[in-house]
Amino acid sequence: RKEVEQDPGPFNVPEGATVAFNCTYSNSASQSFFWYRQDCRKEPKLLMSVYSSGNEDGRFTAQLNRASQYISLLIRDSKLSDSATYLCVVTAGNQFYFGTGTSLTVIP
Amino acid sequence: NAGVMQNPRHLVRRRGQEARLRCSPMKGHSHVYWYRQLPEEGLKFMVYLQKENIIDESGMPKERFSAEFPKEGPSILRIQQVVRGDSAAYFCASSPSHSYNEQFFGPGTRLTVL
Repeated sequence: RKEVEQDPGPFNVPEGATVAFNCTYSNSASQSFFWYRQDCRKEPKLLMSVYSSGNEDGRFTAQLNRASQYISLLIRDSKLSDSATYLCVVTAGNQFYFGTGTSLTVIP
Repeated sequence: NAGVMQNPRHLVRRRGQEARLRCSPMKGHSHVYWYRQLPEEGLKFMVYLQKENIIDESGMPKERFSAEFPKEGPSILRIQQVVRGDSAAYFCASSPSHSYNEQFFGPGTRLTVL
């Protein structure tokens, strides 16, 4: 079983839409959780950390459910510039485990 | 403050040749991580190094792959006798400490094996 699993999509949504991505992880001892963003053929960049209490950064809201080993990312009022692949990342021990990513395209 | 630097950005090798990928972490960062990304796949952890030490190489293939992070100079990922399956994007990331939340990624080296 993969450490981190994500629906690869693609998600194609109109500008202004709300879209949600989900991610599950297998290691109950996982310590930290993140969403990274990766644009085509570029390096991943941190979008936001994910905390048990849930956290929000502008149009982005992240949630963590440790009991269900589930992480989510909600994007409100989608912009064209949000088009990218969103990577769910979980740490355990020395390692960062990356999901395969969910592809988002925001359509004008 | 320059970001993580990797070179070369693109590398073409014939089967059987050696590939050397270099990574200079951000200034002040002493922790380096190497990842491999195959087409349509996620990033796979390969190795975690600190200066002059390999901390975790559990993601490295047992043969042909090696990594170092010397006291002076960049971290090097070395692939000997490359095969077509080694074609991938290799990303390096750095952080100031292992407990630091964010890893800062370099632009990657795209290796193509002919």
